[in-house]
Order: sequence, then C-alpha cells, then structure tokens
Amino acid sequence: AQSVTQLGSHVSVSEGALVLLRCNYSSSVPPYLFWYVQYPNQGLQLLLKYTSAATLVKGINGFEAEFKKSETSFHLTKPSAHMSDAAEYFCAVSYAGGTSYGKLTFGQGTILTVHP
Amino acid sequence: ETGVTQSPTHLIKTRGQQVTLRCSSQSGHNTVSWYQQALGQGPQFIFQYYREEENGRGNFPPRFSGLQFPNYSSELNVNALELDDSALYLCASSYGTHTEAFFGQGTRLTVV
Repeated sequence: AQSVTQLGSHVSVSEGALVLLRCNYSSSVPPYLFWYVQYPNQGLQLLLKYTSAATLVKGINGFEAEFKKSETSFHLTKPSAHMSDAAEYFCAVSYAGGTSYGKLTFGQGTILTVHP
Repeated sequence: ETGVTQSPTHLIKTRGQQVTLRCSSQSGHNTVSWYQQALGQGPQFIFQYYREEENGRGNFPPRFSGLQFPNYSSELNVNALELDDSALYLCASSYGTHTEAFFGQGTRLTVV
C-alpha cells in the first residue's frame, strides 16, 4: 500500500525566508503526487501535482516541488515566504487505475507559521 | 462553473444517532470521494463513487455508507454514531481518469 511521510509537523520561518516542507512517499509503482493547502476551517486547495511529466512542478502562489525518484521525495519549496502562506500543508499520493483509482493517501500535515 | 459544495457546514448529533451529509460535485465531474479528517490529522479516504457505483473503499466499517445520484451528487451516511466519528468530512470531485480532486469546504460533525 502507498504511504506518505511528512517530516516535521510544524515549520516556522520568517517572512521573506525560504520555505521547505518535506514529503517522502512509499510506492511500488510510479505515483501521482500532490500538495494541498488547508486554511483554518476550510477545505483543501490543490497547490500542485506531479503526474509523470516534468520532475520540477510549478504550482500556485509561487510554490514548486521536485519529484526525486531515487530519494522517493516530493519536497515543497517557495523562495520567499509571505504572511498569507501560513496554513497547513498536506502531501498526498494517488494511483491511476485499479481499485485505488483516484484514492488519495495523505500525510499527517505540516503547519507552516510565518513570522514578521 | 460551480465548485464542490457540501451541506450542512456544521452538525451536532448524539451518540447512536444516524447522520446524512451531502455533496454536490463540480460541474462536469462524475467521481466523488469522501474523506474523514479528525482533528490534527490528515484526511483519510472513506470511499469513492464513480458513475453511481462504489469504486474503492478505505478502512471504514459498514456503518459508513454512501450513494451517488444520476446528477453525480452524493451522500455519506453514518449509522450508530460514535464519539470518534467527530471530524471534518470532506467531499472531493474529479473527472474520469484524472486523479486531481477538487475539495469542498467540508462538514464539521460533532458527536456528543
């Protein structure tokens, strides 16, 4: 079964600093990978996705992620944090085809705090 | 184009009762997935409906059941509510073989 591990339940950065949120996945087949953001009392919003095309994926709000098969990682980065980036971020893995078609397995989440 | 909408937004039920949560999928989407997000946790997959048929189920007991209607809207039913069922229930819709899912705002269920 697929699984996702997010390293660090809380990450704190200063405004303008680099944001790095870590995600490692476990998979026996090529995965589809996603990053979602969740603001308080809201649903999930898709930031970006990897579906076996370019390994460096650009998303909304200046975020990007790089798929590294050798490291089974899909870390999320943003060069310069903004106060509005404060939220909880979830990495997720899915597969195309089979009974887990469209099923997302989420990590535990990383809460990002941005300090002025 | 309307997004995914869920109703109600908040709900309080008593242990042992039954509850029905509703989800309207995004226009053009024929697949609906339901997730349970307990406080401080990532969402957990409950089940998925594709063209009115269940298409995959997570590790949830049979008292969690669902339906998808011809217009692709969906219901999640939970019988014999337990305190641990208190959570945010998220619905997500997608189209066909694309696995990108668009989420609704969720229904916050509190069981007392």
